[in-house]
Formats: sequence, structure tokens, C-alpha cells
Amino acid sequence: GAVVSQHPSWVICKSGTSVKIECRSLDFQATTMFWYRQFPKQSLMLMATSNEGSKATYEQGVEKDKFLINHASLTLSTLTVTSAHPEDSSFYICSATRVLSYNEQFFGPGTRLTVL
Amino acid sequence: ILNVEQSPQSLHVQEGDSTNFTCSFPSSNFYALHWYRWETAKSPEALFVMTLNGDEKKKGRISATLNTKEGYSYLYIKGSQPEDSATYLCAFINTGTASKLTFGTGTRLQVTL
Repeated sequence: GAVVSQHPSWVICKSGTSVKIECRSLDFQATTMFWYRQFPKQSLMLMATSNEGSKATYEQGVEKDKFLINHASLTLSTLTVTSAHPEDSSFYICSATRVLSYNEQFFGPGTRLTVL
Repeated sequence: ILNVEQSPQSLHVQEGDSTNFTCSFPSSNFYALHWYRWETAKSPEALFVMTLNGDEKKKGRISATLNTKEGYSYLYIKGSQPEDSATYLCAFINTGTASKLTFGTGTRLQVTL
């Protein structure tokens, strides 16, 4: 149990386009979902925290208009990178927690975004 | 900014060797420390959630200890196998930040025959 999927696993797009990444909890209801990004040789950095039906909480330095997060249900959160630029190229990974898991997070496999 | 450091950055051992690596974190406002195992092209997998000073947890050949007063945790692998090859991440949660994880950069372990 506690499987999280992410789609797509990789995407290449042109500068200026928007890209949507989906994160789904497949066999549990996620009370909270998180979005991280990772630059080469760096640690996973939290971008935002989202709870179903409410606005996401963004970390300092993360532009909310640039990285739109929608958490429409207890099993789905989406991250849209709007008007992507080459500097947005990164590895994006989501995670989800479930009730009574003592903050244990279940991760998706990640999405590699390359903006040309 | 919370400082979570892991050492070494990478490690190369032979099958059968035992190994250990370190995660250091702020010793104040401790809430929990997580260890994750991340194989290439897969999802990070939770190994341990540690909450109490002196905690020792074990899963098969892998075990972990926690010292919250001095701010470190050790992860041990006994009799390493090639399937143990992965990046091992620790993540720290401090009080007052709900479930927000601050990750170290990881220790990349490679086990060869």
C-alpha cells in the first residue's frame, strides 16, 4: 500500500509553454501533498505544501504565479509550471502523507523537466 | 535555514562489507528524523521514522540510531549486497513546522561483487 504515481516521468518543452505534472495517491487518501524540486547535486527542496480544497502554502522564494498547484481531491494534486524557461529545468517530485502516518511521506518517482 | 548534512557524499563497498553513514541536524527544536532509500528511477522509500532520543530501529540488515541531544543519526548496513546500492537520504522535521521535511544531500552507496 501507499503508492504514489507521477505523470509524466519526463517532459521536454519549448520556452514559454506551460507544463502540468500530476501526482496521484493510488491506494490511499492523502491528507497533504508536497512538491519538491531537485537541482543537480543538491538536496530535495520543498516548494509547496497543499491540502485538498485549500490554497497551497509556498516556501519562501517560490513564485506562486509561476508554479500553480491545484489539489482538487484527496488523491490528486497537480503542479503547473507556467511560461517555462530553461532555468525551470529540474527534477520535480511529489509526496503525500496519510492519516496517522507520523508524517511519513510517500513519494512519487519524479518528473524530469527540460525546457529548451 | 535548517542545516542537514550527510556524510560521506558517496561510498563504494564490496559485497559483504558492513558500512555506516551519518546525518547531522540541528539539536534544538527536534521533532522527527526520517531515513529514505532512493534507487535510481524509482520513488524514495521510507526506511525509518525516528522520534525519540536513543531510538534504535532495525529493518533486516539495515538499522539506525538517533541522538537528538548532539544532533546526529547513524544508518548501518550489515553485510552489504548489490541491491543495497542506492542513495540514502535523511530528512529532519523541527517543532513548529508541521510535516515539513528538510533533506540532506544524501549518501550514494554503491555495492559491487
